[in-house]
Amino acid sequence: DIQMTQSPSSLSASVGDRVTITCRASQGISNYLAWVQQKPGKAPKSLIYAASNLQSGVPSKFSGSGSGTDFTLNISSLQPEDFATYYCQQYNNYPITFGQGTRLEIK
Amino acid sequence: EVQLVESGGGLVQPGGSLRLSCAVSGFSFSNYWMSWVRQAPGKGLEWVANIKQDGSEKYYVDSLEGRFTISRDNAKKSLYLQMNSLRAEDTAVYYCARGRHTTGGYFDYWGQGILVTVSS
Repeated sequence: DIQMTQSPSSLSASVGDRVTITCRASQGISNYLAWVQQKPGKAPKSLIYAASNLQSGVPSKFSGSGSGTDFTLNISSLQPEDFATYYCQQYNNYPITFGQGTRLEIK
Repeated sequence: EVQLVESGGGLVQPGGSLRLSCAVSGFSFSNYWMSWVRQAPGKGLEWVANIKQDGSEKYYVDSLEGRFTISRDNAKKSLYLQMNSLRAEDTAVYYCARGRHTTGGYFDYWGQGILVTVSS
């Protein structure tokens, strides 16, 4: 199975900041990487697929990059509604696997 | 508007069975892979199973050990998860999701989730 490791596991930031979350795959997954946002008590929401493609309706403040084993999610100009947990997920191979999540908190 | 609505969750004793359903609307169900993803209390997301548009291919996370079966009824626009021999570690919120990519590998729409509690 492909292991997905996110860093950091938690992150404190202020409104208006820009943050970067990193995701590393245990083996190469080309660009078959998605990012998901989840707020407490809510269903996950898809943000990005194919490493850098925004889902419809997702604001351009979110951006993704990477290929192979190393990927990043950038979020610019943080707003209160952006504070949530973010997961990366690979779909290069079955079983589909998620990272452990990065909790983004307000400083 | 795309909607996915799970039902069938609840409290079940260890060793028992439960069947989850997911009713969809707002898109052509038969054209998409469909998936189940779960989240244990306080934990991260875990993919459970995928099923191809016509039901001809199914994939499962290894840890299920053959206890769960994913199925679909395209005429009823519904996805199912039959869960047998339930264990405490199956306690989780179960989400159905619409799969994209050639193998349904990522998920663009998610249901609101349904809680399954396995406890005596």
